[in-house]
Amino acid sequence: GAVVSQHPSWVICKSGTSVKIECRSLDFQATTMFWYRQFPKQSLMLMATSNEGSKATYEQGVEKDKFLINHASLTLSTLTVTSAHPEDSSFYICSARDQLIVGGKAFFGQGTRLTVV
Amino acid sequence: AQSVTQPDIHITVSEGASLELRCNYSYGATPYLFWYVQSPGQGLQLLLKYFSGDTLVQGIKGFEAEFKRSQSSFNLRKPSVHWSDAAEYFCAVGSLSASTGGGNKLTFGTGTQLKVEL
Repeated sequence: GAVVSQHPSWVICKSGTSVKIECRSLDFQATTMFWYRQFPKQSLMLMATSNEGSKATYEQGVEKDKFLINHASLTLSTLTVTSAHPEDSSFYICSARDQLIVGGKAFFGQGTRLTVV
Repeated sequence: AQSVTQPDIHITVSEGASLELRCNYSYGATPYLFWYVQSPGQGLQLLLKYFSGDTLVQGIKGFEAEFKRSQSSFNLRKPSVHWSDAAEYFCAVGSLSASTGGGNKLTFGTGTQLKVEL
């Protein structure tokens, strides 16, 4: 069945470095992917909508220069946390839907736990 | 490992009828529990959440859910469905373990697509 693969599942990085998270749709094409962030004891927050071949649409309050999104192909979107700081530590998860199926199901990646030290 | 099961992939109800979407979870400790709704082309919207306290949780849009520890369930209910409720609904479980900033892991169910007949 359709699967969304997110990599890495966890990462620890030093403050000031950048981290790239990949989200792949393994056997379907997705023109749109969603990136979410979860703060401790909070629900998910939609960060941005990633659009293949065009700029991502960021939610209010999300720094686009901080969280770079690239959706270069129909099966891959990447989220790069630039110049990471400890407050960027969080759980990030992506979601994609098969574009060829009207009203098709959405699938989630496994999530990435980022810890910035 | 935590897991979530939504046994119903598709559900069709008539407008005005009552609705119950099932969610069962597996988690070793007290979980966070969430219900989200996703309309076509939109991101997830939080309907309600349970962390502790009263096991009957009220959410937005007239939805409620009841946490039943003995059944490991967190079913979503609405007494009268509106056509605008047609969407995909996701149940999620998160850990309550202490986290100093790394975030807690959320696990989603596979979703239930709700169709509303007029």
